[in-house]
Amino acid sequence: QPVLTQPPSVSGAPGQRVTISCTGTSSNIGSGYYVHWYQQVPGRAPKLLIYINNRRPSGVPDRFSASKSGTSASLTISGLQTEDEAVYYCQSYDSSLTEVFGGGTKLAVL
Amino acid sequence: QLQLQESGPGLVKPSETLSLTCTVSGGSTSSDNHYWGWIRQSPGKGLEWIGNVDYSGSAFYNPSLKGRVTISVDTSKNQFSLKMYSVTAADTAVYHCARRDLDNDYFDHWGQGTLVSVSS
Repeated sequence: QPVLTQPPSVSGAPGQRVTISCTGTSSNIGSGYYVHWYQQVPGRAPKLLIYINNRRPSGVPDRFSASKSGTSASLTISGLQTEDEAVYYCQSYDSSLTEVFGGGTKLAVL
Repeated sequence: QLQLQESGPGLVKPSETLSLTCTVSGGSTSSDNHYWGWIRQSPGKGLEWIGNVDYSGSAFYNPSLKGRVTISVDTSKNQFSLKMYSVTAADTAVYHCARRDLDNDYFDHWGQGTLVSVSS
Protein backbone atom coordinates (compact mmCIF):
# COMPACT_ATOMS: atom_id res chain seq x y z
CA GLN A 1 0.00 0.00 0.00
CA PRO A 2 1.39 3.40 -0.94
CA VAL A 3 2.21 5.61 2.03
CA LEU A 4 0.58 8.66 0.46
CA THR A 5 -3.05 8.39 -0.62
CA GLN A 6 -4.25 9.68 -3.98
CA PRO A 7 -7.55 9.16 -5.80
CA PRO A 8 -7.13 6.48 -8.49
CA SER A 9 -8.59 8.66 -11.20
CA VAL A 10 -9.95 12.10 -12.02
CA SER A 11 -11.36 13.51 -15.22
CA GLY A 12 -12.28 16.77 -16.80
CA ALA A 13 -13.19 18.35 -20.10
CA PRO A 14 -10.73 20.44 -22.08
CA GLY A 15 -10.46 23.90 -20.59
CA GLN A 16 -11.72 22.85 -17.17
CA ARG A 17 -9.81 22.70 -13.90
CA VAL A 18 -9.09 19.56 -11.91
CA THR A 19 -7.50 19.01 -8.54
CA ILE A 20 -5.65 15.91 -7.37
CA SER A 21 -5.25 15.34 -3.65
CA CYS A 22 -2.40 13.68 -1.81
CA THR A 23 -2.98 12.69 1.80
CA GLY A 24 -0.20 11.75 4.15
CA THR A 25 0.32 11.53 7.90
CA SER A 26 2.06 13.31 10.73
CA SER A 27 5.23 11.32 9.95
CA ASN A 28 5.62 12.64 6.42
CA ILE A 29 3.72 15.61 4.96
CA GLY A 30 2.49 16.64 8.39
CA SER A 31 6.07 16.78 9.69
CA GLY A 32 6.81 19.59 7.30
CA TYR A 33 8.56 17.59 4.62
CA TYR A 34 8.26 18.92 1.11
CA VAL A 35 5.79 17.53 -1.41
CA HIS A 36 6.75 17.03 -5.04
CA TRP A 37 4.65 16.05 -8.03
CA TYR A 38 5.49 14.03 -11.13
CA GLN A 39 3.70 13.50 -14.42
CA GLN A 40 4.05 10.16 -16.18
CA VAL A 41 2.79 9.63 -19.70
CA PRO A 42 2.39 5.90 -20.50
CA GLY A 43 5.64 4.33 -21.59
CA ARG A 44 7.71 7.32 -20.49
CA ALA A 45 9.76 8.18 -17.43
CA PRO A 46 8.17 10.28 -14.71
CA LYS A 47 8.78 13.98 -15.18
CA LEU A 48 9.21 16.42 -12.31
CA LEU A 49 6.20 18.75 -12.42
CA ILE A 50 6.25 20.56 -9.08
CA TYR A 51 8.97 20.62 -6.44
CA ILE A 52 9.21 21.98 -2.90
CA ASN A 53 5.43 22.14 -2.53
CA ASN A 54 4.65 24.69 -5.21
CA ARG A 55 7.62 25.49 -7.43
CA ARG A 56 7.58 24.76 -11.16
CA PRO A 57 10.71 23.63 -13.01
CA SER A 58 11.61 25.58 -16.09
CA GLY A 59 9.33 24.66 -18.97
CA VAL A 60 6.33 23.56 -16.91
CA PRO A 61 3.31 25.71 -17.82
CA ASP A 62 1.78 27.88 -15.12
CA ARG A 63 -1.47 25.95 -15.65
CA PHE A 64 0.05 23.56 -13.11
CA SER A 65 -0.01 24.70 -9.51
CA ALA A 66 0.17 23.01 -6.14
CA SER A 67 -0.28 23.65 -2.47
CA LYS A 68 0.25 21.96 0.85
CA SER A 69 -1.58 22.21 4.17
CA GLY A 70 -1.31 20.07 7.25
CA THR A 71 -0.99 16.42 6.29
CA SER A 72 -2.21 16.93 2.71
CA ALA A 73 -1.23 18.47 -0.57
CA SER A 74 -2.97 19.09 -3.84
CA LEU A 75 -2.11 19.58 -7.49
CA THR A 76 -4.35 21.77 -9.63
CA ILE A 77 -4.36 21.77 -13.41
CA SER A 78 -6.19 24.66 -15.02
CA GLY A 79 -7.23 24.98 -18.65
CA LEU A 80 -7.04 21.23 -19.20
CA GLN A 81 -5.50 20.10 -22.45
CA THR A 82 -5.59 16.66 -24.03
CA GLU A 83 -1.81 16.44 -23.63
CA ASP A 84 -2.31 16.54 -19.85
CA GLU A 85 -3.62 12.97 -19.91
CA ALA A 86 -1.16 11.09 -17.74
CA VAL A 87 -0.67 9.58 -14.32
CA TYR A 88 0.28 12.04 -11.59
CA TYR A 89 2.26 11.03 -8.49
CA CYS A 90 2.99 12.90 -5.30
CA GLN A 91 6.16 12.27 -3.31
CA SER A 92 7.39 13.28 0.11
CA TYR A 93 9.82 12.13 2.76
CA ASP A 94 8.98 10.14 5.85
CA SER A 95 10.50 10.19 9.32
CA SER A 96 11.27 6.49 8.83
CA LEU A 97 14.01 7.82 6.52
CA THR A 98 12.12 6.74 3.43
CA GLU A 99 11.19 8.52 0.24
CA VAL A 100 7.45 7.91 -0.13
CA PHE A 101 5.14 8.12 -3.11
CA GLY A 102 1.43 8.19 -3.68
CA GLY A 103 -0.25 5.44 -5.66
CA GLY A 104 -0.80 7.72 -8.63
CA THR A 105 -3.86 9.39 -10.13
CA LYS A 106 -4.84 8.81 -13.72
CA LEU A 107 -6.15 11.95 -15.37
CA ALA A 108 -8.57 11.55 -18.25
CA VAL A 109 -9.34 14.55 -20.43
CA LEU A 110 -12.76 13.81 -21.82
CA GLN B 1 21.20 18.03 -20.80
CA LEU B 2 21.50 15.38 -18.10
CA GLN B 3 20.54 11.90 -19.22
CA LEU B 4 20.37 8.62 -17.34
CA GLN B 5 20.22 5.21 -18.98
CA GLU B 6 19.56 1.91 -17.25
CA SER B 7 21.09 -1.33 -18.47
CA GLY B 8 21.10 -4.93 -17.38
CA PRO B 9 19.39 -8.29 -17.88
CA GLY B 10 15.67 -8.24 -18.53
CA LEU B 11 15.13 -11.68 -17.04
CA VAL B 12 16.33 -13.00 -13.70
CA LYS B 13 15.58 -16.36 -12.11
CA PRO B 14 13.94 -16.57 -8.69
CA SER B 15 16.41 -16.59 -5.78
CA GLU B 16 19.14 -15.07 -7.96
CA THR B 17 20.58 -11.54 -7.98
CA LEU B 18 19.21 -8.68 -10.06
CA SER B 19 21.98 -6.36 -11.26
CA LEU B 20 21.39 -3.05 -13.03
CA THR B 21 23.65 -0.16 -13.97
CA CYS B 22 22.73 3.45 -14.62
CA THR B 23 25.03 5.43 -16.91
CA VAL B 24 24.94 9.20 -16.47
CA SER B 25 25.73 11.61 -19.28
CA GLY B 26 25.64 15.38 -19.33
CA GLY B 27 26.35 15.44 -15.59
CA SER B 28 28.61 13.88 -13.02
CA THR B 29 28.09 11.29 -10.32
CA SER B 30 30.87 13.15 -8.48
CA SER B 31 28.44 15.96 -7.75
CA ASP B 32 28.17 16.68 -4.05
CA ASN B 33 24.80 18.33 -4.56
CA HIS B 34 22.93 15.18 -5.53
CA TYR B 35 22.05 11.64 -4.66
CA TRP B 36 21.61 8.96 -7.28
CA GLY B 37 18.61 6.77 -6.78
CA TRP B 38 16.66 3.73 -7.89
CA ILE B 39 12.88 3.63 -8.02
CA ARG B 40 10.77 0.76 -9.31
CA GLN B 41 7.28 0.43 -10.68
CA SER B 42 5.52 -2.92 -10.55
CA PRO B 43 3.14 -3.70 -13.42
CA GLY B 44 0.04 -1.54 -13.09
CA LYS B 45 1.20 -0.12 -9.78
CA GLY B 46 2.80 2.99 -8.41
CA LEU B 47 6.33 4.05 -7.63
CA GLU B 48 8.43 2.48 -4.90
CA TRP B 49 11.71 4.01 -3.75
CA ILE B 50 14.54 1.47 -3.49
CA GLY B 51 17.46 3.58 -2.34
CA ASN B 52 19.96 6.37 -2.99
CA VAL B 53 23.73 6.69 -3.07
CA ASP B 54 25.94 9.76 -2.95
CA TYR B 55 29.27 10.46 -4.65
CA SER B 56 31.22 8.99 -1.75
CA GLY B 57 29.33 5.71 -1.81
CA SER B 58 27.17 6.39 1.22
CA ALA B 59 23.87 4.64 0.56
CA PHE B 60 20.38 4.73 2.03
CA TYR B 61 17.78 2.06 1.48
CA ASN B 62 14.07 1.44 1.81
CA PRO B 63 13.69 -0.59 5.03
CA SER B 64 10.93 -2.62 3.39
CA LEU B 65 13.52 -4.32 1.20
CA LYS B 66 15.00 -5.86 4.32
CA GLY B 67 18.67 -5.76 3.48
CA ARG B 68 18.31 -7.36 0.05
CA VAL B 69 19.68 -4.33 -1.77
CA THR B 70 23.09 -2.77 -2.38
CA ILE B 71 23.58 0.47 -4.34
CA SER B 72 27.07 1.56 -5.30
CA VAL B 73 28.66 4.32 -7.37
CA ASP B 74 31.62 4.30 -9.76
CA THR B 75 32.53 7.92 -10.37
CA SER B 76 35.35 6.96 -12.76
CA LYS B 77 32.77 5.47 -15.10
CA ASN B 78 30.03 7.98 -14.22
CA GLN B 79 27.77 5.10 -13.27
CA PHE B 80 25.89 3.79 -10.29
CA SER B 81 24.52 0.32 -9.77
CA LEU B 82 21.81 -1.68 -8.07
CA LYS B 83 22.04 -5.21 -6.80
CA MET B 84 18.97 -6.93 -5.39
CA TYR B 85 19.46 -10.36 -3.86
CA SER B 86 17.17 -13.37 -3.55
CA VAL B 87 14.59 -12.00 -5.95
CA THR B 88 11.07 -13.33 -6.28
CA ALA B 89 8.26 -12.74 -8.76
CA ALA B 90 7.21 -9.79 -6.61
CA ASP B 91 10.37 -8.01 -7.73
CA THR B 92 9.20 -7.96 -11.35
CA ALA B 93 9.01 -4.28 -12.22
CA VAL B 94 10.27 -1.43 -14.36
CA TYR B 95 13.38 -0.12 -12.64
CA HIS B 96 14.18 3.59 -13.03
CA CYS B 97 17.36 5.35 -12.06
CA ALA B 98 17.11 9.01 -11.16
CA ARG B 99 18.99 12.00 -9.81
CA ARG B 100 17.81 13.40 -6.48
CA ASP B 101 18.46 16.85 -5.13
CA LEU B 102 20.63 16.47 -2.02
CA ASP B 103 18.78 18.83 0.28
CA ASN B 104 15.25 18.90 -1.03
CA ASP B 105 14.54 15.24 -1.86
CA TYR B 106 12.97 15.60 -5.28
CA PHE B 107 14.05 13.54 -8.29
CA ASP B 108 14.68 15.98 -11.12
CA HIS B 109 15.94 13.66 -13.85
CA TRP B 110 14.86 10.09 -14.53
CA GLY B 111 15.96 7.31 -16.80
CA GLN B 112 13.47 5.75 -19.17
CA GLY B 113 13.36 2.60 -17.06
CA THR B 114 14.09 -1.02 -17.79
CA LEU B 115 11.73 -3.95 -17.29
CA VAL B 116 13.11 -6.77 -15.20
CA SER B 117 11.06 -9.94 -15.03
CA VAL B 118 11.69 -12.58 -12.39
CA SER B 119 10.80 -15.98 -13.73
CA SER B 120 12.26 -19.45 -14.06
